[in-house]
Amino acid sequence: AQSVTQLDSQVPVFEEAPVELRCNYSSSVSVYLFWYVQYPNQGLQLLLKYLSGSTLVKGINGFEAEFNKSQTSFHLRKPSVHISDTAEYFCAVNTMDSSYKLIFGSGTRLLVRP
Amino acid sequence: KAGVTQTPRYLIKTRGQQVTLSCSPISGHRSVSWYQQTPGQGLQFLFEYFSETQRNKGNFPGRFSGRQFSNSRSEMNVSTLELGDSALYLCASSFTGGNQPQHFGDGTRLSIL
Repeated sequence: AQSVTQLDSQVPVFEEAPVELRCNYSSSVSVYLFWYVQYPNQGLQLLLKYLSGSTLVKGINGFEAEFNKSQTSFHLRKPSVHISDTAEYFCAVNTMDSSYKLIFGSGTRLLVRP
Repeated sequence: KAGVTQTPRYLIKTRGQQVTLSCSPISGHRSVSWYQQTPGQGLQFLFEYFSETQRNKGNFPGRFSGRQFSNSRSEMNVSTLELGDSALYLCASSFTGGNQPQHFGDGTRLSIL
């Protein structure tokens, strides 16, 4: 079975500082990886995805993530955060044998302070 | 291009009642998935439909059911509501499912009194 672990439930950071949100997964088969963001009272918005190819993936709003197969990680990074980045971030995995469903981590709340 | 539309946005029910939630996918998308989001359990997969057929189902009791129509619109139904069913129910669509990114609606917040 597949699982996703987001090690930090909350990450406080000052505006314009860099940030990394950690995500580790467990799977015995090839994975497809996603990061979503959720703002209050809204659904999930796709930030970026890794399906294959280059392990460094760039997404929207200046975010990027690196797929590391040996460490089974897919950490999300942004070099300089804004107040508007305050939100909940979810890492998710989909695999060939999980058949069409996303398995989500528990989420990391990014709190950007002025 | 319109996104995924879920109706209603908010719903209040009492224990024992039943409820039907609706989801209209992005035009051209034929795969629709449903997820339940709660503070305690996080985001959990309910089921996925493609071309009116359920292809996958999560670990939820039989009180949770769904269907998909020929125009790809989907509904989910919860019967005999329990307090623990209070949650945000999210619908997501993609062209054919699989490894394609899923696009989410804003959800229906269901509160059980």
